[in-house]
Amino acid sequence: SQQGEEDPQALSIQEGENATMNCSYKTSINNLQWYRQNSGRGLVHLILIRSNEREKHSGRLRVTLDTSKKSSSLLITASRAADTASYFCATDADDYKLSFGAGTTVTVRA
Amino acid sequence: DGGITQSPKYLFRKEGQNVTLSCEQNLNHDAMYWYRQDPGQGLRLIYYSQIVNDFQKGDIAEGYSVSREKKESFPLTVTSAQKNPTAFYLCASSVWREKLFFGSGTQLSVL
Repeated sequence: SQQGEEDPQALSIQEGENATMNCSYKTSINNLQWYRQNSGRGLVHLILIRSNEREKHSGRLRVTLDTSKKSSSLLITASRAADTASYFCATDADDYKLSFGAGTTVTVRA
Repeated sequence: DGGITQSPKYLFRKEGQNVTLSCEQNLNHDAMYWYRQDPGQGLRLIYYSQIVNDFQKGDIAEGYSVSREKKESFPLTVTSAQKNPTAFYLCASSVWREKLFFGSGTQLSVL
């Protein structure tokens, strides 16, 4: 079963704007990971945040984790056309299986 | 260059036929995974292997089989028992419980 659920399902923004997407999950986790997928390609890892961490940054990406609310958010700042992709959260829970959500499709308009 | 290689990129299966998808990695990772992705959906775990000569069923293992005889290789066989095999198949590897490195995928279709 899919542990994480992303929201919204789709997001369209203007180049230069920020994009925020959220991930909710159901059980306690060891870590939560965000991935990007361009159409028809494999996934690329973006950020891993552990259960004892609250925020991580990587370039224009900012991830937060609230374990009390069982939720995480991914913020992409100053978006570019190249950020157009699907973004997935994945949760590593006690069953050792990394479970992926259905993803958020982000379209960045020029 | 280090990475994961999946082959073939496209594969066609006839009814009643078994087909095997190849996955090779040179990242020296112990763990390897197979996921299935249907259009517009997330990834579902088929099988995973934490170490050579050991593998575990994921959430949708029925109709699939794997082997892990070498650290570098984790082939997936889609058997005739899998009645709806059309999907995009992704292989990945990792240090156990760390970030995954994915291959470029195999699109399997039914003739």
